[in-house]
Amino acid sequence: GAVVSQHPSWVICKSGTSVKIECRSLDFQATTMFWYRQFPKQSLMLMATSNEGSKATYEQGVEKDKFLINHASLTLSTLTVTSAHPEDSSFYICSANAGGTYEQYFGPGTRLTVT
Amino acid sequence: DQQVKQNSPSLSVQEGRISILNCDYTNSMFDYFLWYKKYPAEGPTFLISISSIKDKNEDGRFTVFLNKSAKHLSLHIVPSQPGDSAVYFCAASVAGGGNKLTFGTGTQLKVEL
Repeated sequence: GAVVSQHPSWVICKSGTSVKIECRSLDFQATTMFWYRQFPKQSLMLMATSNEGSKATYEQGVEKDKFLINHASLTLSTLTVTSAHPEDSSFYICSANAGGTYEQYFGPGTRLTVT
Repeated sequence: DQQVKQNSPSLSVQEGRISILNCDYTNSMFDYFLWYKKYPAEGPTFLISISSIKDKNEDGRFTVFLNKSAKHLSLHIVPSQPGDSAVYFCAASVAGGGNKLTFGTGTQLKVEL
């Protein structure tokens, strides 16, 4: 149980284009989903928290107009990196929380490379 | 401001021995702590957690100890196995904090034959 999928697992895009990453909870309903990014050999940095049907809450320093988050249902959240630039290249990971517990279950991550 | 710290970036242990991974925190409002294991290019996998009302939680080969007065927790793995080689992150949460987790910087564990 508690499986979270992410798609795509890796993506290469050209500078200036937008990329959408999907995060799905496969066997449970996720009241809250989280988006992280991880740079090589660094910790996971929380970007934003999204609750189904409401606007995402972004962490300080994260541009909400650049990283668009939509949590359309209890099993799906999407992160769109708009007008991507090489500095946006990173490993993006989502997680889901079923509510009532602190445990977050993570997706396998998406490697984004912007050329 | 790194509220959760793992001061050892790496640890090497022989197979069969005990692995002890340490984590320190500064925010006294943290009341729930978790350990995750992560392989390269994969998402973290939940291992074990502990509430601040406890000082120990055990699950198979994994035991987490919490010392609130020292703001310190540790993960013990015994016996260590080669498949345990991964990066281990501790994470902490504040009650009423929307279930947000603050992660430590990670410790790379290598279990050698």
